[in-house]
Amino acid sequence: SQQGEEDPQALSIQEGENATMNCSYKTSINNLQWYRQNSGRGLVHLILIRSNEREKHSGRLRVTLDTSKKSSSLLITASRAADTASYFCATDANSKLTFGKGITLSVRP
Amino acid sequence: GAGVSQSPSNKVTEKGKDVELRCDPISGHTALYWYRQSLGQGLEFLIYFQGNSAPDKSGLPSDRFSAERTGGSVSTLTIQRTQQEDSAVYLCASSRTSGTLNEQFFGPGTRLTVL
Repeated sequence: SQQGEEDPQALSIQEGENATMNCSYKTSINNLQWYRQNSGRGLVHLILIRSNEREKHSGRLRVTLDTSKKSSSLLITASRAADTASYFCATDANSKLTFGKGITLSVRP
Repeated sequence: GAGVSQSPSNKVTEKGKDVELRCDPISGHTALYWYRQSLGQGLEFLIYFQGNSAPDKSGLPSDRFSAERTGGSVSTLTIQRTQQEDSAVYLCASSRTSGTLNEQFFGPGTRLTVL
C-alpha cells in the first residue's frame, strides 16, 4: 500500500522557475526521503530529513517536514532542463521504504 | 564495484516459467533490499536482508516469490511459475547497514516481461 502521496501528479514549468512538490503520508515515520528517477533508470537519493527536523537544504533543493500535518515539500530552485524526471517521497519505518506514486516534472528549456 | 548492479537488465519469459534476478550490492554494504515498480502499483517493498538473514519478508506478494542472500553479498530473487501480473521493474538497493538514517543506493533494475 502507498504511504506517501505526492501532488501534483505532473508539473510542467519553464527553465529557471522554481518547482514545488508536496507529499503527504499516513503513519508515524523515522525520516522522510526524496528520490529522483530519470526515465528508464534507477532511483537516485536526493535528500533525507529526520522526523525531528523541520527544514533541510542541499544545493538547489529545499525540503520541509511538518509532522503535525504529516506532510513534506520539495522545492527545486532555478530549475534546469536536466531536472526533468519523476520525483518520489519515501517514508522510512523499520528499515523499509514506502514510496508515493511519484510526480512527473517536466522543465521546458 | 562502484554501485549496485543487477542482472539481467531485461528478461522476457513465458507465463509459467521460473526466473532468477540477481543483485550485486555495493561492497561492504550489509543491508540489501528488493523493490518492484509497476504501473498499477507504483514502487513496492518486497524484502530486505541484513547480512544473510531476512528480518522482513512482508512485501513478497505470494509464495511464488523467494529470495536468498549468500556470503552477505549477492542476492537472488526467484519467481516461480511466473504470471503476467509479475511483469514489472525489479529494483535492488543496498545500504551500509539497516535501520533508519541509512541512505539506500539503488541499482538500475531488471525489467521483467511475462508473456
